[in-house]
Amino acid sequence: QKEVEQNSGPLSVPEGAIASLNCTYSDRGSQSFFWYRQYSGKSPELIMFIYSNGDKEDGRFTAQLNKASQYVSLLIRDSQPSDSATYLCAVSSLGGGYNKLIFGAGTRLAVHP
Amino acid sequence: DVKVTQSSRYLVKRTGEKVFLECVQDMDHENMFWYRQDPGLGLRLIYFSYDVKMKEKGDIPEGYSVSREKKERFSLILESASTNQTSMYLCASSPYRGWTEAFFGQGTRLTVV
Repeated sequence: QKEVEQNSGPLSVPEGAIASLNCTYSDRGSQSFFWYRQYSGKSPELIMFIYSNGDKEDGRFTAQLNKASQYVSLLIRDSQPSDSATYLCAVSSLGGGYNKLIFGAGTRLAVHP
Repeated sequence: DVKVTQSSRYLVKRTGEKVFLECVQDMDHENMFWYRQDPGLGLRLIYFSYDVKMKEKGDIPEGYSVSREKKERFSLILESASTNQTSMYLCASSPYRGWTEAFFGQGTRLTVV
């Protein structure tokens, strides 16, 4: 069973701080990595994706990928209370000739004023 | 914007009933997915489809079936609902086989009593 692991949290950070969310995955052949944000009672929405080793920045968000360590992370700079949500890591995994998205259980982030 | 619409936001069904969950996407996406989401377990893939009349089992297909008669519509069927199928069900679509960025519907919270 290919797995994606995340710390469930809650991760509590003060407003304005950097929030660091981490994810490890078991399938060494995975090629694509996604971060979704899910507010309580809502469906997941894509915030970032990354394919290559290194960093990818989009506004206050930075995704980091290290394929050798099978590790992907999401940094949120200048955290705001509106960032409080569950963050889901998803990994594209090839199985039976098809790509599937495998999700972690998510990390709950709480940004307090 | 991509729109994925699920037919019901909330459903209450009795044990043993046959239940249909409908999902429609309006962006001509090839791929469609059904997930269920439970606390602490994250999103788990039930079934997916890469083409009309095509279906593939995900990680937890037992007790479910699917139908894709038209490209835009993907239905999840609970043949005989049981209380352990009480969950949030999420439909998603993505553009084509090699790209697994997924867009989610609003979710259906199903309660089986």
